[in-house]
Amino acid sequence: GAVVSQHPSRVICKSGTSVKIECRSLDFQATTMFWYRQFPKQSLMLMATSNEGSKATYEQGVEKDKFLINHASLTLSTLTVTSAHPEDSSFYICSARGPGTSGGRYEQYFGPGTRLTVT
Amino acid sequence: AQSVTQPDIHITVSEGASLELRCNYSYGATPYLFWYVQSPGQGLQLLLKYFSGDTLVQGIKGFEAEFKRSQSSFNLRKPSVHWSDAAEYFCAVGVYSSASKIIFGSGTRLSIRP
Repeated sequence: GAVVSQHPSRVICKSGTSVKIECRSLDFQATTMFWYRQFPKQSLMLMATSNEGSKATYEQGVEKDKFLINHASLTLSTLTVTSAHPEDSSFYICSARGPGTSGGRYEQYFGPGTRLTVT
Repeated sequence: AQSVTQPDIHITVSEGASLELRCNYSYGATPYLFWYVQSPGQGLQLLLKYFSGDTLVQGIKGFEAEFKRSQSSFNLRKPSVHWSDAAEYFCAVGVYSSASKIIFGSGTRLSIRP
């Protein structure tokens, strides 16, 4: 249980276009989802926290108008990279807050990631 | 502010040797600590986690970690590594406020010497 999927797994787009990445919780409802970005050989950096039915909370330095997040249902959050540029090329990973195990706390379940290449 | 430090960028160990990956955290309250592994081009896999209770935590793939509050550490260990353990390892701390976000360390790349 507690599986998170992302679509697409890889995407190549041209500079100036927009691309949408989907994050789905497959077998649980997630009121909160998170979006991370990982540059090559670097750690994951939290971009934003996505809450169902409300506006996302962005981390400092992340452009809200460039990275649009929509959490329209309890199982789906989307990240749209608008007017993409080569420097946006990265590995984008989402996670969803779901049922906890062995302790009763919530846990985060990570998706497999989406590799974005902007040419 | 919460932070995680992994002082070793890259470690190489021989297959069959023991392993210890270091992790130090900074957090004002009782931390929620995690170790994740990431193979090249792949997502994250949770190895183990500490929320409370026994400070020695057992995880998957033969890994364990020990929470030491006095040292603000959560080091990952494995008694005998396998070639398949070569990967990137991330220590992380959970910020359990209303958002429950996770802060990741910079990662340690593990290479295995045949």
